Amino acid sequence: DVKVTQSSRYLVKRTGEKVFLECVQDMDHENMFWYRQDPGLGLRLIYFSYDVKMKEKGDIPEGYSVSREKKERFSLILESASTNQTSMYLCASSLDSPGEQYFGPGTRLTVT
Amino acid sequence: GENVEQHPSTLSVQEGDSAVIKCTYSDSASNYFPWYKQELGKGPQLIIDIRSNVGEKKDQRIAVTLNKTAKHFSLHITETQPEDSAVYFCAANTLGGGADGLTFGKGTHLIIQP
Repeated sequence: DVKVTQSSRYLVKRTGEKVFLECVQDMDHENMFWYRQDPGLGLRLIYFSYDVKMKEKGDIPEGYSVSREKKERFSLILESASTNQTSMYLCASSLDSPGEQYFGPGTRLTVT
Repeated sequence: GENVEQHPSTLSVQEGDSAVIKCTYSDSASNYFPWYKQELGKGPQLIIDIRSNVGEKKDQRIAVTLNKTAKHFSLHITETQPEDSAVYFCAANTLGGGADGLTFGKGTHLIIQP
């Protein structure tokens, strides 16, 4: 079974802090994705990566950056957290593009 | 960019009846249309997908239809059961440089009434 793990289920940070969300997949997938999920808005793509050190902007990249130094790990960085970044963050990976994406359980981030 | 509209936002059906969720997309270049099911406290999980070279696909009680001309696709669940209660998302791929992203609809909360 494909497993996508996220470093925290719940996280509380203060405005202005630098925040790192980590995601690890164990199936040697080339592609990894970060989404945020908000009530009534569905899932929105923030960034994705199709290879180590390669990244591509999604629909809402503003205020975020990403890092992929190893194939299995994809990090989402909030350089200076703001209250409007309070959300559920979901990581996913896929072997094919386009193809089935396997999601982690999510990190619920609260910025106060 | 791609825009995906999904209806209805909430759907309540009697156990054993059928449920239909509809989506439209805007980018004619999209060629991959997955459906995800999300249960409370979990990440979304793929239940069925369809590619643009096929008009219909079935997997037991679940089917998806695609009309490329009209740019819409639908999820059909027959003989609904209590475990079908969840939030369902449709999506369409958005072509990128090295890989494709997915644009999701806003979701449908499906409630199966006993």
